[in-house]
Amino acid sequence: KQEVTQIPAALSVPEGENLVLNCSFTDSAIYNLQWFRQDPGKGLTSLLLIQSSQREQTSGRLNASLDKSSGRSTLYIAASQPGDSATYLCAVIYGGATNKLIFGTGTLLAVQP
Amino acid sequence: EAGVAQSPRYKIIEKRQSVAFWCNPISGHATLYWYQQILGQGPKLLIQFQNNGVVDDSQLPKDRFSAERLKGVDSTLKIQPAKLEDSAVYLCASSSGSGGYNEQFFGPGTRLTVL
Repeated sequence: KQEVTQIPAALSVPEGENLVLNCSFTDSAIYNLQWFRQDPGKGLTSLLLIQSSQREQTSGRLNASLDKSSGRSTLYIAASQPGDSATYLCAVIYGGATNKLIFGTGTLLAVQP
Repeated sequence: EAGVAQSPRYKIIEKRQSVAFWCNPISGHATLYWYQQILGQGPKLLIQFQNNGVVDDSQLPKDRFSAERLKGVDSTLKIQPAKLEDSAVYLCASSSGSGGYNEQFFGPGTRLTVL
């Protein structure tokens, strides 16, 4: 069974701190891995997409890494800000015809001013 | 470019009632997805359409859920009759195709509460 797990489920940090969110998946034969942000009452916003041939992607203060052999990905947020407070979801795609995203349970991040 | 539109944004119903959700994908997007997100969980795919044909509905509870995408554009998701455990956010997403990976763009969701 293809499962995606995220640790921790919730995290509270003071403003300015660097932090790491973790994502693990059971089947290493992934096609892509994607990190999303979800704000209350809103849909999902894509943050970073890592293709299976890549090891990391960067966008501004965000850096996502991918280690297929160990079934893990991390999302690193540098110099956190209160506006980063949201739920962060990782999702994997195993290819095939359906393009189906399999999501983790998410990490709820609170950045305290 | 307009995003994925969904309505209503919120809905409260009694159990055993019926409810319908509507989604309008990004113009030109051939693939449309409906996800169910229960509180504290990640979204789970219910059904995927390619144009007006169903690609994957393996996790759709077909005894009570139905979905259609007439003319390959808008889509409706219906629940009849609703159960307490159907309380969730229903997310619609669209992408330009399903071959290889085509990024999915999500709407704001419809929050359903079943009392």
